Amino acid sequence: DAGVTQSPTHLIKTRGQHVTLRCSPISGHKSVSWYQQVLGQGPQFIFQYYEKEERGRGNFPDRFSARQFPNYSSELNVNALLLGDSALYLCASSLGFKVEAFFGQGTRLTVV
Amino acid sequence: GIQVEQSPPDLILQEGANSTLRCNFSDSVNNLQWFHQNPWGQLINLFYIPSGTKQNGRLSATTVATERYSLLYISSSQTTDSGVYFCAVVVVNTNKFYFGSGTKLNVKP
Repeated sequence: DAGVTQSPTHLIKTRGQHVTLRCSPISGHKSVSWYQQVLGQGPQFIFQYYEKEERGRGNFPDRFSARQFPNYSSELNVNALLLGDSALYLCASSLGFKVEAFFGQGTRLTVV
Repeated sequence: GIQVEQSPPDLILQEGANSTLRCNFSDSVNNLQWFHQNPWGQLINLFYIPSGTKQNGRLSATTVATERYSLLYISSSQTTDSGVYFCAVVVVNTNKFYFGSGTKLNVKP
């Protein structure tokens, strides 16, 4: 079975641009969460979606948004990119709550 | 918010040595997982262990939820064990992981 897949794996954008990151969860998993990991730190929670509804939001500006589609895949959108948005963006999927979560390989975003 | 503290922050071992990594957390949790982050950034699941003890080969983990800590044991370490180990918890009544800052392990041949 395929694990959590994220695309693209690497991305370079210019300040002020917009970016869309994509995540396909493990088949059967209905929960998708997004995390941002800057160099040298642990991942920080951005969003969680379950059954296409937002179930949690971290302390990130409104430039960050996300959605979940009927097939449970998800997109993370970031507008007006800043240099500080450069990070590894990780997607996690799980069957639901209080169960084991699995992470994708991440998308490494560089803003120049 | 919850504090997740991992120790030590850095650890250097000779191949074949044993080690213990610790994770302390400041609130009651529903979920606790240990991950190994590979050089390419992917978080590899090691243990899902909100309580109790589990073993998988040379690795084992113990979580004492009532005392709010978890331990990851690595025995007979190998160079391929090198990398960053993260502990992550889900606090009761929330749905998000809180990660510690990680333990960076370097196993030398």
